[in-house]
Amino acid sequence: DARVTQTPRHKVTEMGQEVTMRCQPILGHNTVFWYRQTMMQGLELLAYFRNRAPLDDSGMPKDRFSAEMPDATLATLKIQPSEPRDSAVYFCASGLGLAGNEQFFGPGTRLTVL
Amino acid sequence: TQLLEQSPQFLSIQEGENLTVYCNSSSVFSSLQWYRQEPGEGPVLLVTVVTGGEVKKLKRLTFQFGDARKDSSLHITAAQPGDTGLYLCAGASNDYKLSFGAGTTVTVRA
Repeated sequence: DARVTQTPRHKVTEMGQEVTMRCQPILGHNTVFWYRQTMMQGLELLAYFRNRAPLDDSGMPKDRFSAEMPDATLATLKIQPSEPRDSAVYFCASGLGLAGNEQFFGPGTRLTVL
Repeated sequence: TQLLEQSPQFLSIQEGENLTVYCNSSSVFSSLQWYRQEPGEGPVLLVTVVTGGEVKKLKRLTFQFGDARKDSSLHITAAQPGDTGLYLCAGASNDYKLSFGAGTTVTVRA
């Protein structure tokens, strides 16, 4: 049963600390998405990769957020320095091809920045 | 401002009742997806509708895409407690992006 995995599932940190979230997409999927979900804003797209190349990170605060795919089995989202307003659930999703195709979501990382 | 407006925001009904969730936009989408999300989990795709006017049925769930491909509805017949969750609609543009609605929280009481 192929699934997207994310680590850690929960993270509590203090303001100013670096946070790294990891995602393992489903083997064979060529698109990876990072989303942030909050009560106020719902699901927001942060970054999009196709064949490991970053094609869109316009939803991401550039000064503190960075997303990479060092290889086909790992996507990372880093926040440095973290701020309390970054508290949210961060989801990774993978898929094949265009957005019209299904996106398979991971279980999310719940981040709390104190 | 959400590109897709979902209504109602919350819905609480008794087991066996019917419910309808609406998803509206002023934008045209190439396709529209409905997801269900349970607490502590990521959204899971229920259906994708592509053609204007299309109706898809998934057991007790009926999905409709508006003729102009700007709106959609999800109807659940004889709701069960297992239908409880956050229902999200998401519109696909001509590129890769999915724009999500804010979601409708459905609670089905036993």
